Amino acid sequence: GENVEQHPSTLSVQEGDSAVIKCTYSDSASNYFPWYKQELGKGPQLIIDIRSNVGEKKDQRIAVTLNKTAKHFSLHITETQPEDSAVYFCAARGVDSSYKLIFGSGTRLLVRP
Amino acid sequence: DAGVIQSPRHEVTEMGQEVTLRCKPISGHDYLFWYRQTMMRGLELLIYFNNNVPIDDSGMPEDRFSAKMPNASFSTLKIQPSEPRDSAVYFCASSVRGTAYEQYFGPGTRLTVT
Repeated sequence: GENVEQHPSTLSVQEGDSAVIKCTYSDSASNYFPWYKQELGKGPQLIIDIRSNVGEKKDQRIAVTLNKTAKHFSLHITETQPEDSAVYFCAARGVDSSYKLIFGSGTRLLVRP
Repeated sequence: DAGVIQSPRHEVTEMGQEVTLRCKPISGHDYLFWYRQTMMRGLELLIYFNNNVPIDDSGMPEDRFSAKMPNASFSTLKIQPSEPRDSAVYFCASSVRGTAYEQYFGPGTRLTVT
């Protein structure tokens, strides 16, 4: 089945700097890659996603890139703000079940004011 | 529009007791997912439903766990008997046909089994 690895596990940046979180997946047939943000005491919130027919997608300060050949995808946050501090999860759609998402282990992002 | 609603938000119970977690998906959504989150295992899919029918329950840990969806607006996850290793945060998520990859999560139920 699908396996998703996420790095780094923790990331500390200065406010205004950029943050990059990387994920790799194992199943070359996977075609959907969402990113979720989880704040303390809350459920994961979908912030951006990308499908395998697209190489890059942007939404204001966040962007996701996908390299199908290398089977990795990344989340880029520019001009980070303290409210970006949270745990971020990547995921990939497992092909053994149409709507099953396999999640990475999470990255705790701390934006220092 | 209300998001996914889960109850209770916190549950503390003793080992051996029955626990029932409840979920109300977003109105109009026809997919419902139950996840468990722990430090050791991360976020794991337990089961998901489409149009109230269980589609994939391969993540349900053992027979002590059961899930039902009697109608489009309500689902339960039951643990009987509960064990300390069941302590975790349980999330419900829903999505709609056409965008079924986009899952919207509830606030979760933090379960502690002593």
